[in-house]
Amino acid sequence: DSGVTQTPKHLITATGQRVTLRCSPRSGDLSVYWYQQSLDQGLQFLIQYYNGEERAKGNILERFSAQQFPDLHSELNLSSLELGDSALYFCASSGGDRTDTQYFGPGTRLTVL
Amino acid sequence: TQLLEQSPQFLSIQEGENLTVYCNSSSVFSSLQWYRQEPGEGPVLLVTVVTGGEVKKLKRLTFQFGDARKDSSLHITAAQPGDTGLYLCAGARSNDYKLSFGAGTTVTVRA
Repeated sequence: DSGVTQTPKHLITATGQRVTLRCSPRSGDLSVYWYQQSLDQGLQFLIQYYNGEERAKGNILERFSAQQFPDLHSELNLSSLELGDSALYFCASSGGDRTDTQYFGPGTRLTVL
Repeated sequence: TQLLEQSPQFLSIQEGENLTVYCNSSSVFSSLQWYRQEPGEGPVLLVTVVTGGEVKKLKRLTFQFGDARKDSSLHITAAQPGDTGLYLCAGARSNDYKLSFGAGTTVTVRA
């Protein structure tokens, strides 16, 4: 158990819909990272938040957004969902804004029908 | 194009055999990490290496960071079925906030 929690574990929705994925980092960690993992793309970095502020952006679509709240939990919002958004979404946390070691949560499997 | 290239992509061996997975790049990394991931689960950190030439051992697993900090290898001795999984390397560069992941090596150890 990494100490990072994610909810829900599974999510099934239809195209065009909007969903919210939630992540709670390890106790004391200030950074939260979001990743998308699909069979053909591997593990792709989406975005990082550090202590409530966006710190780095990766291959995140404009239809996706994230935020980190004062209690340090984070939410990833995915809107206007397409079939190709079906993937595993992972959250990871680390202590600092450049801390290399990241601990991953169990993931949310999103299926868009 | 992946910043970190892992090879081989797939590896299937018999229990008791040895295996090596490679992670290569043209970039220099301040540190490199290895993760193992099982289907439907999150990656689990195995080790972090930070010094060029560093060798770390974790039971039957040996990790090496290249002298120039551009490559790494993972060697498993006497593999067991429990070693089956997707092995991912990930590097952190000093001017980057994020980790860059390799595409992974799927290891299958047959009983």
